[in-house]
Amino acid sequence: EAGVAQSPRYKIIEKRQSVAFWCNPISGHATLYWYQQILGQGPKLLIQFQNNGVVDDSQLPKDRFSAERLKGVDSTLKIQPAKLEDSAVYLCASSSTGLGAGETQYFGPGTRLLVL
Amino acid sequence: QQQVKQSPQSLIVQKGGISIINCAYENTAFDYFPWYQQFPGKGPALLIAIRPDVSEKKEGRFTISFNKSAKQFSLHIMDSQPGDSATYFCAASKGGYQKVTFGTGTKLQVIP
Repeated sequence: EAGVAQSPRYKIIEKRQSVAFWCNPISGHATLYWYQQILGQGPKLLIQFQNNGVVDDSQLPKDRFSAERLKGVDSTLKIQPAKLEDSAVYLCASSSTGLGAGETQYFGPGTRLLVL
Repeated sequence: QQQVKQSPQSLIVQKGGISIINCAYENTAFDYFPWYQQFPGKGPALLIAIRPDVSEKKEGRFTISFNKSAKQFSLHIMDSQPGDSATYFCAASKGGYQKVTFGTGTKLQVIP
């Protein structure tokens, strides 16, 4: 089974520029997550989709971050405008149903963003 | 109440030794406690997990010990190998639409 795919793997931009990340989850997985992992910290959930609806975006800085999951499959995460503190690895994960504890989340390799 | 505290931040262990990483949580509603392993340049991958109705779970060289009354759990890696060198994250989640809260991570280095 193919894993979670993400692109690009690396991105360097200047502050105030915009950037977009793409994620393709495991086929058939209903739930898709975007995490932000700052160097030396654990992943922090930004947004969780159930099919193409948002379940949790409580930690998403909505003034600059946006995300969508069209047709309940692929997803894009956008930052506009970027700030220095957005430098991090952005991880996408998916799980089969997203319901109930104990379901495994499968992570992609992440996109490493550096904002200069 | 959503925090998961993890220690130590880094750990160096001799090959063949035991690696121990500790975590503590506050929210008693958490009902699933996974551990993730992350290699450089890769996303985290589930290593082992436990539910609060058992005190210990063992899978090969990896064991989770769980103390519900103390709200603490730990990962033990027996016979540590250089290939175990990675960053380990404890985590906690609760039912419904599963939201996982991660610890801050422990960078393990196993030296020959």
